[in-house]
Amino acid sequence: AQTVTQSQPEMSVQEAETVTLSCTYDTSESDYYLFWYKQPPSRQMILVIRQEAYKQQNATENRFSVNFQKAAKSFSLKISDSQLGDAAMYFCAYTASGTYKYIFGTGTRLKVLA
Amino acid sequence: EAGVAQSPRYKIIEKRQSVAFWCNPISGHATLYWYQQILGQGPKLLIQFQNNGVVDDSQLPKDRFSAERLKGVDSTLKIQPAKLEDSAVYLCASSQVGNSNQPQHFGDGTRLSIL
Repeated sequence: AQTVTQSQPEMSVQEAETVTLSCTYDTSESDYYLFWYKQPPSRQMILVIRQEAYKQQNATENRFSVNFQKAAKSFSLKISDSQLGDAAMYFCAYTASGTYKYIFGTGTRLKVLA
Repeated sequence: EAGVAQSPRYKIIEKRQSVAFWCNPISGHATLYWYQQILGQGPKLLIQFQNNGVVDDSQLPKDRFSAERLKGVDSTLKIQPAKLEDSAVYLCASSQVGNSNQPQHFGDGTRLSIL
């Protein structure tokens, strides 16, 4: 069975600094997709970034980038130049190609300190 | 574009009562999901529809939970009778059909408290 593990329940970062959130997953599939979602206190889950497993190049979206290590089954999120608005729960999610079913990790609460 | 709409935003009921949640997905999104998110955990898929057909309901407690999407657009999720362990946020999401890499778009959720 596929699993997604986020081992950091909570992280803190100073404003303008860089922070990395960890995610590991377990799957026997070769074709899959990985996502990072942000959930602010308002509760709406917002897509931050996504990665196709068949792409070797790491995805980037402005201040957000990932370090995708397929062999190690690791998918970490790096947030550069952290802003107060980045404070939220961050969830890593996995879906095998063709299934449309997400498996979420338990989340990492990110605090941004002014 | 308008996002995924959910109502109500909050609901408080006593155990053994019934409750219903409503979701209106993004226009044109054929796939609709209901998730249960217990405090401190990630969302857990309850049921997935494609148009008005059920794709996956393997984690739906069918003795008390039911969901429908009769016209392939709006959906309702019902709990009857509610138990204390049903206290959670119920999230609805939708996505375009066809590609697994299409992200799911989430609503604000309904926070359910069981007394």
